[in-house]
Amino acid sequence: DAGVTQSPTHLIKTRGQQVTLRCSPKSGHDTVSWYQQALGQGPQFIFQYYEEEERQRGNFPDRFSGHQFPNYSSELNVNALLLGDSALYLCASSLVLASGSGRDTQYFGPGTRLTVL
Amino acid sequence: QQPVQSPQAVILREGEDAVINCSSSKALYSVHWYRQKHGEAPVFLMILLKGGEQKGHEKISASFNEKKQQSSLYLTASQLSYSGTYFCGTATGTASKLTFGTGTRLQVTL
Repeated sequence: DAGVTQSPTHLIKTRGQQVTLRCSPKSGHDTVSWYQQALGQGPQFIFQYYEEEERQRGNFPDRFSGHQFPNYSSELNVNALLLGDSALYLCASSLVLASGSGRDTQYFGPGTRLTVL
Repeated sequence: QQPVQSPQAVILREGEDAVINCSSSKALYSVHWYRQKHGEAPVFLMILLKGGEQKGHEKISASFNEKKQQSSLYLTASQLSYSGTYFCGTATGTASKLTFGTGTRLQVTL
């Protein structure tokens, strides 16, 4: 059973550039959430995609955008990169349960380490 | 506002027990516990749901006080493999967005 996969594993960009990160959810999952984790801190929620739509968004600027494809995989795009965007970007997948919110178990991928110079 | 975890760090000898606490200022639907080793992704340990249901790791237990918006993770007979940073993630709204706590660094030594 394949777990959550992310690509690339590492990425180095310069300020002002744009980056696209990719995520394939765990088999059977239909929801993808993206998190940013700065060094020494807990993950911070960026947004969540379900049925190819952004379902909820955290406190991140519009420079952060995403997409979900019909096969449930997802992309995170960041435009006009800043030094402060350097972080580990984590993708988590889950299966939406009809019984209600906050009950889905989220499984994380290995992350993409982004360094902005 | 992110949940607050305590202690910030703890060092144990193998076989000792530990309790990690997570406290939120908001009403919670669920609490999710993860362990993250350096340079790796967070690994799911336990989910505690409003109403008492919980599911997760066999050797790790947890509690959820819905009235106080607090959760505790109990690590008994710790093993070297328990070392890492523990995060609680809380869900408060109608979607499953998780807000993660400040983290507790646990080190188990021989």
